[in-house]
Formats: sequence, C-alpha cells, structure tokens
Amino acid sequence: QSILTQPPSVSGAPGQRVTISCTGSSSNIGANYDVHWYQQLPGTAPKLLIYGNTNRPSGVPDRFSASKSVTSASLAISGLQAEDEADYYCQSYDNTLSGSVVFGGGTKLTVL
Amino acid sequence: QVQLVESGGGQVMPGGSLRLSCVVSGFTFRDYYMSWIRQAPGKGLEWVSLIDTGSRWPNYADSVKGRFTISRDNAKNSMYLQMNSLRAEDTAVYYCARVHGSGSYWMGRWGQGTLVTVSS
Repeated sequence: QSILTQPPSVSGAPGQRVTISCTGSSSNIGANYDVHWYQQLPGTAPKLLIYGNTNRPSGVPDRFSASKSVTSASLAISGLQAEDEADYYCQSYDNTLSGSVVFGGGTKLTVL
Repeated sequence: QVQLVESGGGQVMPGGSLRLSCVVSGFTFRDYYMSWIRQAPGKGLEWVSLIDTGSRWPNYADSVKGRFTISRDNAKNSMYLQMNSLRAEDTAVYYCARVHGSGSYWMGRWGQGTLVTVSS
C-alpha cells in the first residue's frame, strides 16, 4: 500500500483530456513538499514529466500539466495521443519515514 | 549527452549478495545526489536509497535498511549498491537516477535498469 494514492487506471479517447490524481496526507503533500510526476512507457525506464508541482522539463509537450492542492496533486493530459499510453507515477517526500522519498502506486493510462 | 548505465544484476539465491554499479557520463557527477529505485515485476516504483555528493548521509528505505549499502566514487563517476541477505521480495529491476532539488527531491534522469532475481 503506497503512501501516495493514485487510481490504478484511467482511460480516454484520442483528443480528450484526462486527469490523474495523487492523494497524500499531512506528512507529505500536506506538509508543503513538492510533487513530481513520471511517465513510464511500456518496457522502458521512467522519465521525468513534471517537477516542482507544475514545471515541465524541456522537451515535454505542454499538453501535460499539473497542479497541487492541500493534500493532493493532479496530472492533466490534454489532446490525448496514442503514444501517451503509459504508466504514470507521482512522487513526493514524507517526513515520517526514514529516507522519505515516496512514490504513488502508479496509474495505467489507456488510450481507447 | 547524459547517460546512466547500470550493471551487476543477475540471479542470486536467497541469502546471497550482489553489487550493482551505475556509471554516469555527460554531467559533473560529483555535483549531484544520486539514488536507487526499484520496480518488482508488474509492480510500481519503490525508492531504495539516496546518497549525497560527499557520501556523508546515505538514506535507505526501511525495507532494505541494514542489508543494503549505497556508496559512490566521484573519481570514477560511479555509484554502487551492495545488497546482502537478499530475499525473494528484492527481485526487481533496479534503476539508478540523478537527483535534483532540495528537500523534496526529484529524479531528473534515469538509467535503463538492471534486473536482480532472487530465487533458488
């Protein structure tokens, strides 16, 4: 059971917009720690998608955006494309754990 | 360009040991914290360990504390993970990653991973 909770799966048709939630608590997202997002295409290593709650690394299309609320965060993908089909993970920091880097359980995005 | 290349994975019996390596290029290794993250077959990502630039305060997940040791050699642009007392649940692809930020770190670049299988 992950410290950060994500829906196991979401789906959408090409061109649509989908969102993936990441729910934490007062010891991680709610403690004002940043949230980051990763994309893992099938059979490949994860890739940084969003850092510092809302920032896109160079090369990441602006179809990907993210936001953060009190104890949760959200990744939005607009204009869905077939190549967006992947697993998506949120990640933050938790001040109750040793080491403290925590990942969400991951969300499988299916493009219908 | 930035590259991180893991090696050292393989099959090992329960209770055995393995040492993973991560050799990097394309950036100034000594300027960055580094981390190991693993992914069991069909499962999600699990953070394993993190090391600062000067190896002063390594951090570990509770699941590996006391069994795994992270280290680095800045002269060789390399990071290592010594894994002892391995268990079946340690079976996973192990990724090394370059760490960014302060406080709430993020993993800016990842290697391709190396598979560790713990089985008799």
